[in-house]
Amino acid sequence: AQSVTQPDIHITVSEGASLELRCNYSYGATPYLFWYVQSPGQGLQLLLKYFSGDTLVQGIKGFEAEFKRSQSSFNLRKPSVHWSDAAEYFCAVVFNTGTASKLTFGTGTRLQVTL
Amino acid sequence: DSGVTQTPKHLITATGQRVTLRCSPRSGDLSVYWYQQSLDQGLQFLIQYYNGEERAKGNILERFSAQQFPDLHSELNLSSLELGDSALYFCASSGAPGQGPLHFGNGTRLTVT
Repeated sequence: AQSVTQPDIHITVSEGASLELRCNYSYGATPYLFWYVQSPGQGLQLLLKYFSGDTLVQGIKGFEAEFKRSQSSFNLRKPSVHWSDAAEYFCAVVFNTGTASKLTFGTGTRLQVTL
Repeated sequence: DSGVTQTPKHLITATGQRVTLRCSPRSGDLSVYWYQQSLDQGLQFLIQYYNGEERAKGNILERFSAQQFPDLHSELNLSSLELGDSALYFCASSGAPGQGPLHFGNGTRLTVT
């Protein structure tokens, strides 16, 4: 079955520390991959996306993600976290390409940043 | 600012009522998506339109319907509302139909009392 998993519900890091948020998917082919961030009371903002090509993707706000086909993963990283990065992060996957794009979201990882 | 506009921001209504949520996609985007976000269900895909035509359907209840108009704005109609329909409803848009929703609005928070 097609699915996307974010194994960490809640992560706490210190400001200035590095961050890695995990995302795994289950699918027979290479899907389109996305990371979104949602601040409290706000909509979702696209951080980065992967459709094809270079497996290391740079996004906004200093985030990057690496697609690893062998591990069916698309982990989000940031070398140095800022207090303003505290938010909920969603990995999302489009399993069906063509004209139907059912974007399936993971359950989210809530990031807390301590000063 | 994503360029996607959703109105109203908040909506409070009673059970059994009907409401309409409106979405204006980012300029130039032909594809519109609707999502429901609730505490127990997370983010659920409801429906996708591309240039006025329905392209994909997700977990959308029969009491819910949507359409995309010639000017590309979209409306999500929710009828016979139940307490469990209380949620945040997001609209998103993108240019090509297969890209997935790239730009999200800030959502409409629906409270059913």
